[in-house]
Amino acid sequence: KAGVTQTPRYLIKTRGQQVTLSCSPISGHRSVSWYQQTPGQGLQFLFEYFSETQRNKGNFPGRFSGRQFSNSRSEMNVSTLELGDSALYLCASSWDTRTTEAFFGQGTRLTVV
Amino acid sequence: GENVEQHPSTLSVQEGDSAVIKCTYSDSASNYFPWYKQELGKRPQLIIDIRSNVGEKKDQRIAVTLNKTAKHFSLHITETQPEDSAVYFCAALHQAGTALIFGKGTTLSVSS
Repeated sequence: KAGVTQTPRYLIKTRGQQVTLSCSPISGHRSVSWYQQTPGQGLQFLFEYFSETQRNKGNFPGRFSGRQFSNSRSEMNVSTLELGDSALYLCASSWDTRTTEAFFGQGTRLTVV
Repeated sequence: GENVEQHPSTLSVQEGDSAVIKCTYSDSASNYFPWYKQELGKRPQLIIDIRSNVGEKKDQRIAVTLNKTAKHFSLHITETQPEDSAVYFCAALHQAGTALIFGKGTTLSVSS
């Protein structure tokens, strides 16, 4: 069974640009959560999607957005990139976050220059 | 909202010793507490979890205990080995069970 797949693995962007990251969950999983990981702040919750609906959102500015498609694949978008957005972005999939364990992808390393 | 505190931030032990990592959470409504291990350059991997209707759970050398009254839970690793060296994260499931809130992590170093 394939694991959680995130693309691309690495990205370098310039301040002010926007970026889209993709996450394909484990087959059959309907919940996808996104996290930002930085050395100082650890793993911070961005948002969670279940069956194409955003059920929860963390404390991030509106520049961070996401969506989920009918096949459960999810994308997150960051607009007007800032240097502080440089981080490892991880997604996690579960059958349903409320009842089952979550499995992480390898992450996308975003560097903003 | 939920807040998860994790201690210590770094922990160094000798091979064969035990290691204990402690976490506290703020929201009494949280009901699921997983632990993840993240090796350098790799994804976080679930190593053990516990739900709030259970006080303790063991899996070989790893155990987790939960005290709902005090709102804290702990990870215990016995007979540590160098391959246990990694960053360990605790988490609590919050807000109608749709958001995992993580502690800031513990870097465990096991020297042989």
